[in-house]
Amino acid sequence: SQKIEQNSEALNIQEGKTATLTCNYTNYSPAYLQWYRQDPGRGPVFLLLIRENEKEKRKERLKVTFDTTLKQSLFHITASQPADSATYLCALDPGGYQKVTFGTGTKLQVIP
Amino acid sequence: DSGVTQTPKHLITATGQRVTLRCSPRSGDLSVYWYQQSLDQGLQFLIQYYNGEERAKGNILERFSAQQFPDLHSELNLSSLELGDSALYFCASSREGVYEQYFGPGTRLTVT
Repeated sequence: SQKIEQNSEALNIQEGKTATLTCNYTNYSPAYLQWYRQDPGRGPVFLLLIRENEKEKRKERLKVTFDTTLKQSLFHITASQPADSATYLCALDPGGYQKVTFGTGTKLQVIP
Repeated sequence: DSGVTQTPKHLITATGQRVTLRCSPRSGDLSVYWYQQSLDQGLQFLIQYYNGEERAKGNILERFSAQQFPDLHSELNLSSLELGDSALYFCASSREGVYEQYFGPGTRLTVT
């Protein structure tokens, strides 16, 4: 069956360092992979989308990589700030009229 | 503010009852998605509508139903409520040809 795995444990890093979050998947062939940020009690907020034929995407301090051979995406936040503390969700989209599947998320805590 | 609105914000009801959650998508968005998020399950896709038609279906219970109206707002109906239906229910919308989703603030449903 299809499975999406994100670091189930919280990730604590020091302010100013680079945070790296992992999204692994099995039995899935996503056409797109998306990353969202979610704060407690609020709706997810779209951050970045990467297509299956793209290796890397950047937006300001954010970088996403997508390795369809390893079936893995890495999400990096450089020069992390306490305001980056949140849960980050990866979402796999097979494209077409099929459902998007979200991972359970990784909670990031940036310590001042 | 994503531009997606959901009402009500909170809902407390008893087992066996029926409730209706309402969502208004962003202006110009034709697709509406419904998700359920509980503490132990993560974000679960329920159903997607596109311009009034059902487009994709997730693990939506038979006790749940949804529809999208001509003005593009959507309603999610939950009936014969059980304690386990207590969760945050999110609505999201997206534009044609654009894959990122914009989430509303959610409706917190508590079944007692």
